Amino acid sequence: EPEVTQTPSHQVTQMGQEVILRCVPISNHLYFYWYRQILGQKVEFLVSFYNNEISEKSEIFDDQFSVERPDGSNFTLKIRSTKLEDSAMYFCASSVFGTRNEKLFFGSGTQLSVL
Amino acid sequence: TQLLEQSPQFLSIQEGENLTVYCNSSSVFSSLQWYRQEPGEGPVLLVTVVTGGEVKKLKRLTFQFGDARKDSSLHITAAQPGDTGLYLCAGYNQGGKLIFGQGTELSVKP
Repeated sequence: EPEVTQTPSHQVTQMGQEVILRCVPISNHLYFYWYRQILGQKVEFLVSFYNNEISEKSEIFDDQFSVERPDGSNFTLKIRSTKLEDSAMYFCASSVFGTRNEKLFFGSGTQLSVL
Repeated sequence: TQLLEQSPQFLSIQEGENLTVYCNSSSVFSSLQWYRQEPGEGPVLLVTVVTGGEVKKLKRLTFQFGDARKDSSLHITAAQPGDTGLYLCAGYNQGGKLIFGQGTELSVKP
């Protein structure tokens, strides 16, 4: 089965530094998402992206976050100035049509640790 | 705000036992999904239930959607150690975002 791939698998950074998390969605998928999971807490929606634009974002996704599709394959999440509370597992996901009831394909995640 | 509450949060059982995990909300969902997540991996979709009262089976796993489409259950018969993992229910909220319950951590001991 096709996979969503994420790099790096682990990222350690100092508070205040910028990080970029990278994802390669499944090639024929049109909708892309970022979720995060803080240790011991639920998987939380951050943002959805379609046609080179943000289609939905949560209240977590403030001005320090941005997403980009810099080329035809990569989808990135940038955190401009990391905070301790940004430490979490970040999951990228993609889907074909972005419709309700549709299956989301998740990557294996990037574990971000902010020190 | 539409929320999904799962219970129990943790479940530790012996191989061969049966178990049920619940996912409840005060809101109506057009569908609910169940995902399984293993350590170091992303969630993987197990099933989507769409119609109120619907029952779907996946080998030893039985999923049910409540008649009012506000709740769902996952029943595992004769649990195996390979069933160990985090089970997540999820549903699309009114804004079209897929939201998750907090998960049920299942441990099946041989």
